[in-house]
Amino acid sequence: DGGITQSPKYLFRKEGQNVTLSCEQNLNHDAMYWYRQDPGQGLRLIYYSQIVNDFQKGDIAEGYSVSREKKESFPLTVTSAQKNPTAFYLCASSISDRGVGALHFGNGTRLTVT
Amino acid sequence: AQSVSQHNHHVILSEAASLELGCNYSYGGTVNLFWYVQYPGQHLQLLLKYFSGDPLVKGIKGFEAEFIKSKFSFNLRKPSVQWSDTAEYFCAVKGGGGGADGLTFGKGTHLIIQP
Repeated sequence: DGGITQSPKYLFRKEGQNVTLSCEQNLNHDAMYWYRQDPGQGLRLIYYSQIVNDFQKGDIAEGYSVSREKKESFPLTVTSAQKNPTAFYLCASSISDRGVGALHFGNGTRLTVT
Repeated sequence: AQSVSQHNHHVILSEAASLELGCNYSYGGTVNLFWYVQYPGQHLQLLLKYFSGDPLVKGIKGFEAEFIKSKFSFNLRKPSVQWSDTAEYFCAVKGGGGGADGLTFGKGTHLIIQP
């Protein structure tokens, strides 16, 4: 079945450490996204990528980095510079960002930093 | 930048009651509008979407939404809710205004249906 796989489901890190969240899709979608979901805040866009080897900052990119070396993969690194990293992270994809396709979401990774 | 406002953060209804969840966005122009639903323990999934044409769109599970351009609104409705509709509902907009691409989401409405 086609879909988006995020791993791990739960992640715990000590403050000051970088951590990378995995996102893989087998939908053959060009565009991929990372959102952060906080209670009462909805979803906020961190980074997005319209095509391999290209990505753009979203509304809250500070303290995060991404790469898009393969069409299927869009890992997100939460760096030690991110002031409030504990959150639920959602990866999504769509056929094309320039089109009108809806987003397909993964099951998310809940990151806790202590 | 585009912003999306959902009027109610928490809504509690009894089964068979009618539902209307409000959604307004800030910038006009050409927009694509979406409602997503997140059932407890499940991933976000698309409920319905508006791209063009008939402003009244029908989605899954008996939901519908009406795009009113003059009011910058895209309210979600269901005539008779069921206990299984308990979930968090997000309105999202693509297009209009500056800022990043992708979708701009509202803060969500947590809907609880009491049996």
